[in-house]
Amino acid sequence: DAGITQSPRHKVTETGTPVTLRCHQTENHRYMYWYRQDPGHGLRLIHYSYGVKDTDKGEVSDGYSVSRSKTEDFLLTLESATSSQTSVYFCAISDSSGDPYEQYFGPGTRLTVT
Amino acid sequence: QKEVEQDPGPLSVPEGAIVSLNCTYSNSAFQYFMWYRQYSRKGPELLMYTYSSGNKEDGRFTAQVDKSSKYISLFIRDSQPSDSATYLCAMSPAGSYQLTFGKGTKLSVIP
Repeated sequence: DAGITQSPRHKVTETGTPVTLRCHQTENHRYMYWYRQDPGHGLRLIHYSYGVKDTDKGEVSDGYSVSRSKTEDFLLTLESATSSQTSVYFCAISDSSGDPYEQYFGPGTRLTVT
Repeated sequence: QKEVEQDPGPLSVPEGAIVSLNCTYSNSAFQYFMWYRQYSRKGPELLMYTYSSGNKEDGRFTAQVDKSSKYISLFIRDSQPSDSATYLCAMSPAGSYQLTFGKGTKLSVIP
C-alpha cells in the first residue's frame, strides 16, 4: 500500500461523538487525499491537501474537517458523527516531483456510526 | 447525469477470456484517465494511467481512451482467477489532481 497506513482500521462509534481518522505516509509525497466509498456512490473526494497546512474541500466535505501539520500526517475529523457518515474511508497520496495524477491508496478505515 | 458512468456488473467470464471494461464521461475537461483494481476489503490499486487519447499496453492489460466519444476502456487478455476484483475508472482535468471515479465493475473470472 505504497507506504501508507491508516488508523484505526475499524471503528464503531455513537451518533454525536467526535471521531478522528489518521493517515500516515512514509513517501514524503506532497499531496494527500481523503475519500469515502459507499455502495452505489463509488469513491468520492472529501478533502485534500497540497502541502503542510494547505487544504481544500472536495465533493462531499460537509460534516468533515482536516488538518495537516506535518508532511507525513493527514487527519480527518468528524466533529459530530452521524449515521450517514458510516462508510469506508480511504487516504491517498500523490507526488509533485513524480506524476501527481498517480494516486496511491491506503488500506482503508471502516467506520460504523450507530 | 453523473460525470462518469460505469456499468456495475457483475461480469462473469471463463478463465482465458478477453475482458472489456468501459466507462463513459460527460466532462470534456477530463484529460487524465486511470484504471484501478480493488480486491474485496482492500484499497484501490493503480493499474493503468493514460493521458489524453490513445492506447497504452502493460502486459495483459490495455487501456484505450477515445476523447471524441468520451469513452474509455480497459481490456484484460488471458484473464485469470486472480483478476477477480472490482475495477474502477477515474479521471481528472489537467492541473486539478481531483479524481472523479466511476462506481466500479465487479469482475469474476471462473476457473
